Amino acid sequence: DIVMTQSPDSLAVSLGERATINCKSSQSVLYSSNNENYLGWYQQKPGQPPKLLIYWASTRESGVPDRFSGSGSGTDFTLTISSLQAEDVAVYYCQQYYSSPPTFGQGTRLEIK
Amino acid sequence: EVQLLESGGGLVQPGGSLRLSCAASGFTFSSYAMSWVRQAPGKGLEWVSVISGSGGSTYYADSVKGRFTISRDNSKNTLYLQMNSLRAEDTAVYYCAKGRTLAPPYPLDAFDIWGQGTMVTVSS
Repeated sequence: DIVMTQSPDSLAVSLGERATINCKSSQSVLYSSNNENYLGWYQQKPGQPPKLLIYWASTRESGVPDRFSGSGSGTDFTLTISSLQAEDVAVYYCQQYYSSPPTFGQGTRLEIK
Repeated sequence: EVQLLESGGGLVQPGGSLRLSCAASGFTFSSYAMSWVRQAPGKGLEWVSVISGSGGSTYYADSVKGRFTISRDNSKNTLYLQMNSLRAEDTAVYYCAKGRTLAPPYPLDAFDIWGQGTMVTVSS
């Protein structure tokens, strides 16, 4: 199984500041035939299901604010929130869908400083 | 509006069985792979199983293989999860989730639509 490891486990950022969450996979999730990274990012607020933010490592889902961006390739990925808003308080998960079983990172809790 | 609505959760004794359902609406159900993902109380997300749009391909997490069966009825736009030999560690909120890609060549995918979840509690 591909192990997904996120860092940090929790993060406190001031409103308007940048938040950065990292995700590392135990093996590459880059599919050479189409040059796509099979990596997604989700946001989960308390009492709600997860919400897809980013797929193919860097493609923003429709309706997601452009302050959210994804980057990285191979085994190292980053979710960046360029200017933190109060509504961004949540737990964030990365997920690989390169191979079965699809696996999630342990989650990163984002709070306001 | 694209929507998924789970049902069938509840309290069951260890060793018991439960069948979850997920009613889909607002999209061409048969064209998308569908998954079950669970979340134990206070814990992270764990993928459980996926089924292709036609129902011809299924995959399971090792933790549920041989005990859980995923299926779908495309005429009813409904996804199912039959859970047998339930254990305390199966206690979780169970979400159904839609794969993002239309008619994918391979059923693994990012999940763009999630239901609200149904709680399964396994306890004596």
